Amino acid sequence: EPEVTQTPSHQVTQMGQEVILRCVPISNHLYFYWYRQILGQKVEFLVSFYNNEISEKSEIFDDQFSVERPDGSNFTLKIRSTKLEDSAMYFCASRGRSMNTEAFFGQGTRLTVV
Amino acid sequence: QKEVEQNSGPLSVPEGAIASLNCTYSDRVSQSFFWYRQYSGKSPELIMSIYSNGDKEDGRFTAQLNKASQYVSLLIRDSQPSDSATYLCAVKPNFGNEKLTFGTGTRLTIIP
Repeated sequence: EPEVTQTPSHQVTQMGQEVILRCVPISNHLYFYWYRQILGQKVEFLVSFYNNEISEKSEIFDDQFSVERPDGSNFTLKIRSTKLEDSAMYFCASRGRSMNTEAFFGQGTRLTVV
Repeated sequence: QKEVEQNSGPLSVPEGAIASLNCTYSDRVSQSFFWYRQYSGKSPELIMSIYSNGDKEDGRFTAQLNKASQYVSLLIRDSQPSDSATYLCAVKPNFGNEKLTFGTGTRLTIIP
Protein backbone atom coordinates (compact mmCIF):
# COMPACT_ATOMS: atom_id res chain seq x y z
CA GLU A 1 0.00 0.00 0.00
CA PRO A 2 1.37 3.45 -0.92
CA GLU A 3 2.60 5.48 2.00
CA VAL A 4 4.23 8.77 2.87
CA THR A 5 7.81 8.26 3.99
CA GLN A 6 9.87 10.67 6.06
CA THR A 7 13.55 10.83 6.88
CA PRO A 8 15.23 10.95 9.28
CA SER A 9 13.03 9.44 11.98
CA HIS A 10 14.93 11.35 14.64
CA GLN A 11 17.14 14.42 14.34
CA VAL A 12 19.10 16.04 17.14
CA THR A 13 20.54 19.45 16.38
CA GLN A 14 22.14 22.32 18.23
CA MET A 15 20.26 25.56 18.62
CA GLY A 16 20.99 27.90 15.73
CA GLN A 17 21.76 25.12 13.27
CA GLU A 18 19.87 24.49 10.05
CA VAL A 19 17.90 21.30 9.59
CA ILE A 20 16.20 19.79 6.57
CA LEU A 21 13.41 17.30 7.04
CA ARG A 22 12.60 15.15 4.05
CA CYS A 23 9.39 13.57 2.82
CA VAL A 24 8.38 11.43 -0.13
CA PRO A 25 4.62 11.86 -0.61
CA ILE A 26 2.39 9.23 -2.19
CA SER A 27 3.26 9.25 -5.87
CA ASN A 28 0.01 10.43 -7.49
CA HIS A 29 -0.87 12.96 -4.79
CA LEU A 30 -0.94 16.64 -5.60
CA TYR A 31 -1.33 18.41 -2.26
CA PHE A 32 1.41 18.35 0.34
CA TYR A 33 1.49 19.51 3.93
CA TRP A 34 3.72 19.87 6.94
CA TYR A 35 2.27 19.67 10.42
CA ARG A 36 3.99 19.61 13.77
CA GLN A 37 3.09 18.28 17.19
CA ILE A 38 4.86 19.51 20.29
CA LEU A 39 4.93 16.79 22.94
CA GLY A 40 1.57 16.55 24.67
CA GLN A 41 -0.08 19.13 22.42
CA LYS A 42 -2.33 19.07 19.38
CA VAL A 43 -1.27 18.57 15.78
CA GLU A 44 -0.73 22.02 14.25
CA PHE A 45 -0.72 23.01 10.61
CA LEU A 46 2.44 24.64 9.26
CA VAL A 47 2.14 24.90 5.49
CA SER A 48 0.39 23.53 2.43
CA PHE A 49 1.93 23.22 -1.01
CA TYR A 50 0.31 22.74 -4.40
CA ASN A 51 1.47 23.22 -7.96
CA ASN A 52 4.99 24.04 -6.82
CA GLU A 53 4.04 26.86 -4.54
CA ILE A 54 2.84 27.52 -1.01
CA SER A 55 -0.94 27.77 -0.94
CA GLU A 56 -1.36 28.48 2.75
CA LYS A 57 0.83 28.89 5.81
CA SER A 58 0.21 29.38 9.49
CA GLU A 59 1.62 32.02 11.79
CA ILE A 60 4.09 29.41 13.02
CA PHE A 61 5.63 29.23 9.53
CA ASP A 62 7.77 32.35 9.76
CA ASP A 63 10.86 33.39 7.81
CA GLN A 64 12.90 30.66 9.49
CA PHE A 65 10.91 28.02 7.66
CA SER A 66 10.88 27.14 3.99
CA VAL A 67 9.61 24.29 1.85
CA GLU A 68 10.75 22.92 -1.44
CA ARG A 69 9.89 20.20 -3.91
CA PRO A 70 13.26 19.96 -5.58
CA ASP A 71 12.85 16.99 -7.88
CA GLY A 72 9.19 16.05 -8.32
CA SER A 73 9.26 13.37 -5.64
CA ASN A 74 10.82 14.79 -2.49
CA PHE A 75 9.18 17.48 -0.37
CA THR A 76 11.41 19.16 2.19
CA LEU A 77 10.99 21.41 5.19
CA LYS A 78 13.97 23.56 6.12
CA ILE A 79 14.38 25.35 9.42
CA ARG A 80 17.17 27.87 9.00
CA SER A 81 18.17 28.61 12.57
CA THR A 82 16.58 26.21 15.02
CA LYS A 83 15.30 27.29 18.40
CA LEU A 84 14.61 25.16 21.46
CA GLU A 85 10.88 25.62 20.90
CA ASP A 86 11.16 24.00 17.46
CA SER A 87 11.55 20.65 19.22
CA ALA A 88 8.55 18.62 18.10
CA MET A 89 7.35 15.79 15.87
CA TYR A 90 7.09 17.01 12.30
CA PHE A 91 4.63 15.21 10.07
CA CYS A 92 4.43 15.35 6.31
CA ALA A 93 1.08 14.58 4.71
CA SER A 94 -0.22 14.30 1.18
CA ARG A 95 -3.63 14.23 -0.47
CA GLY A 96 -4.98 13.32 -3.87
CA ARG A 97 -6.76 15.49 -6.42
CA SER A 98 -10.39 15.27 -5.33
CA MET A 99 -11.72 17.65 -2.68
CA ASN A 100 -13.01 14.71 -0.70
CA THR A 101 -9.82 12.71 -0.55
CA GLU A 102 -8.21 12.22 2.78
CA ALA A 103 -4.75 13.30 3.86
CA PHE A 104 -2.30 10.54 4.75
CA PHE A 105 0.50 11.16 7.17
CA GLY A 106 4.08 9.98 7.21
CA GLN A 107 5.55 8.38 10.31
CA GLY A 108 7.09 11.69 11.40
CA THR A 109 10.49 13.11 12.25
CA ARG A 110 11.22 13.77 15.88
CA LEU A 111 13.30 16.96 16.01
CA THR A 112 15.18 17.66 19.22
CA VAL A 113 16.94 21.02 19.52
CA VAL A 114 19.54 21.17 22.29
CA GLN B 1 -10.44 31.42 15.65
CA LYS B 2 -11.50 28.07 14.23
CA GLU B 3 -11.69 25.58 17.06
CA VAL B 4 -12.18 21.85 17.32
CA GLU B 5 -13.04 20.67 20.80
CA GLN B 6 -12.71 17.20 22.22
CA ASN B 7 -12.91 15.82 25.72
CA SER B 8 -9.28 14.99 26.49
CA GLY B 9 -10.22 12.00 28.62
CA PRO B 10 -8.89 9.59 29.56
CA LEU B 11 -11.92 7.55 28.60
CA SER B 12 -11.87 4.02 29.97
CA VAL B 13 -14.09 1.38 28.37
CA PRO B 14 -14.29 -2.36 29.13
CA GLU B 15 -13.24 -4.72 26.38
CA GLY B 16 -16.19 -5.63 24.18
CA ALA B 17 -18.18 -2.50 25.05
CA ILE B 18 -18.94 0.50 22.85
CA ALA B 19 -16.59 3.48 23.03
CA SER B 20 -18.14 6.84 22.17
CA LEU B 21 -15.94 9.78 21.23
CA ASN B 22 -17.27 13.27 20.63
CA CYS B 23 -16.10 16.38 18.84
CA THR B 24 -17.54 19.84 18.27
CA TYR B 25 -16.30 22.46 15.85
CA SER B 26 -16.82 26.19 15.60
CA ASP B 27 -16.41 26.94 11.89
CA ARG B 28 -19.75 26.51 10.12
CA VAL B 29 -18.11 26.28 6.69
CA SER B 30 -16.40 23.02 7.67
CA GLN B 31 -17.46 20.34 5.23
CA SER B 32 -15.06 17.45 5.69
CA PHE B 33 -14.55 15.58 8.92
CA PHE B 34 -11.99 12.98 9.84
CA TRP B 35 -11.11 10.71 12.71
CA TYR B 36 -7.48 9.78 13.14
CA ARG B 37 -6.04 7.31 15.62
CA GLN B 38 -2.66 8.11 17.13
CA TYR B 39 -0.64 5.67 19.17
CA SER B 40 1.88 7.19 21.54
CA GLY B 41 4.90 8.49 19.65
CA LYS B 42 3.41 7.61 16.27
CA SER B 43 1.77 9.55 13.46
CA PRO B 44 -1.98 10.06 12.97
CA GLU B 45 -3.59 7.17 11.12
CA LEU B 46 -6.82 7.85 9.26
CA ILE B 47 -9.66 5.60 10.33
CA MET B 48 -12.82 7.37 9.16
CA SER B 49 -13.96 10.27 7.01
CA ILE B 50 -17.48 11.70 6.80
CA TYR B 51 -18.87 14.47 4.62
CA SER B 52 -22.68 14.23 4.91
CA ASN B 53 -25.08 14.40 7.80
CA GLY B 54 -25.96 11.04 9.30
CA ASP B 55 -24.05 7.88 10.01
CA LYS B 56 -21.22 6.18 8.16
CA GLU B 57 -20.18 2.69 9.15
CA ASP B 58 -16.90 0.90 8.44
CA GLY B 59 -16.41 -2.37 10.27
CA ARG B 60 -16.49 -1.74 14.00
CA PHE B 61 -16.38 2.03 13.50
CA THR B 62 -19.32 4.37 12.96
CA ALA B 63 -18.92 8.09 12.39
CA GLN B 64 -21.89 10.37 13.00
CA LEU B 65 -22.20 13.93 11.71
CA ASN B 66 -24.71 16.62 12.60
CA LYS B 67 -23.79 19.86 10.82
CA ALA B 68 -26.67 21.82 12.37
CA SER B 69 -25.28 21.09 15.82
CA GLN B 70 -21.65 21.25 14.60
CA TYR B 71 -21.03 17.89 16.14
CA VAL B 72 -19.24 14.77 14.96
CA SER B 73 -18.77 11.54 16.86
CA LEU B 74 -17.07 8.18 16.55
CA LEU B 75 -18.43 4.94 17.93
CA ILE B 76 -16.21 1.91 18.31
CA ARG B 77 -18.13 -1.32 18.78
CA ASP B 78 -16.70 -4.45 20.40
CA SER B 79 -13.75 -2.45 21.73
CA GLN B 80 -10.42 -4.24 21.73
CA PRO B 81 -7.26 -3.52 23.76
CA SER B 82 -5.58 -2.57 20.47
CA ASP B 83 -8.07 0.30 20.18
CA SER B 84 -6.34 1.98 23.12
CA ALA B 85 -4.93 5.18 21.60
CA THR B 86 -5.60 8.88 21.27
CA TYR B 87 -8.36 9.70 18.79
CA LEU B 88 -8.02 12.95 16.92
CA CYS B 89 -10.93 14.76 15.34
CA ALA B 90 -9.99 16.91 12.33
CA VAL B 91 -12.08 19.21 10.16
CA LYS B 92 -11.59 21.25 7.02
CA PRO B 93 -13.61 23.34 4.55
CA ASN B 94 -14.31 21.60 1.29
CA PHE B 95 -12.78 24.08 -1.06
CA GLY B 96 -9.28 24.89 -2.15
CA ASN B 97 -6.34 23.39 -0.40
CA GLU B 98 -7.39 24.11 3.13
CA LYS B 99 -5.61 22.60 6.04
CA LEU B 100 -6.90 20.21 8.64
CA THR B 101 -7.70 21.72 12.01
CA PHE B 102 -7.22 19.17 14.78
CA GLY B 103 -8.70 18.81 18.21
CA THR B 104 -6.47 17.98 21.15
CA GLY B 105 -7.58 14.35 21.00
CA THR B 106 -9.32 11.97 23.39
CA ARG B 107 -7.22 9.33 25.07
CA LEU B 108 -9.08 6.01 25.05
CA THR B 109 -8.11 3.05 27.20
CA ILE B 110 -9.77 -0.33 26.70
CA ILE B 111 -9.71 -2.35 29.88
CA PRO B 112 -9.31 -6.12 29.33
